[in-house]
Amino acid sequence: ELKVEQNPLFLSMQEGKNYTIYCNYSTTSDRLYWYRQDPGKSLESLFVLLSNGAVKQEGRLMASLDTKARLSTSHITAAVHDLSATYFCAVVSIGGGSNYQLIWGAGTKLIIKP
Amino acid sequence: DAMVIQNPRYQVTQFGKPVTLSCSQTLNHNVMYWYQQKSSQAPKLLFHYYDKDFNNEADTPDNFQSRRPNTSFCFLDIRSPGLGDAAMYLCATRGLSSYNEQFFGPGTRLTVL
Repeated sequence: ELKVEQNPLFLSMQEGKNYTIYCNYSTTSDRLYWYRQDPGKSLESLFVLLSNGAVKQEGRLMASLDTKARLSTSHITAAVHDLSATYFCAVVSIGGGSNYQLIWGAGTKLIIKP
Repeated sequence: DAMVIQNPRYQVTQFGKPVTLSCSQTLNHNVMYWYQQKSSQAPKLLFHYYDKDFNNEADTPDNFQSRRPNTSFCFLDIRSPGLGDAAMYLCATRGLSSYNEQFFGPGTRLTVL
């Protein structure tokens, strides 16, 4: 059974600092997604990582995927308050077809203080 | 713009009073999902449709039903809402491209009194 773990679950940091969120998964998968969720809002897609070594960047966020280590990282550079949100990673079970489902991490709640 | 729309955005119902939430999409995606998300938790998949094929998660209560009358619309019916069903309900769609990304609607916040 595929399991997804994120850490940390909660992160409070100062503006201007760098930090990394980790997403580990337990069995082989061929794609991983990062989503952002603001309080009371829906999920917004950030990154789609499709292969080993994939790296995507959006502003101060950069995500990468290491399929051999079953690990994705999302790195924040020089954090700003607007990045405060909950970040979820989600992994697809290999198999595809109609049961192409996402297995979700518990989310990392990120608070960035001025 | 192509999008996923949910109505209503906020729904208040009484304990035991049936409620229907709706989702529509202009993306022409084959797959539609319903998720339940409670505060500070990850989304929990209730069921999904692959075209007209309905797939129910094993732990989805019988109290939750769904209909998909056509490609564009999908409904979530909660037959007898309990206090524990208060949550955000998220609809998502997925096309069959190589990215297989799920696109989420804005959600319906359900309150049960």
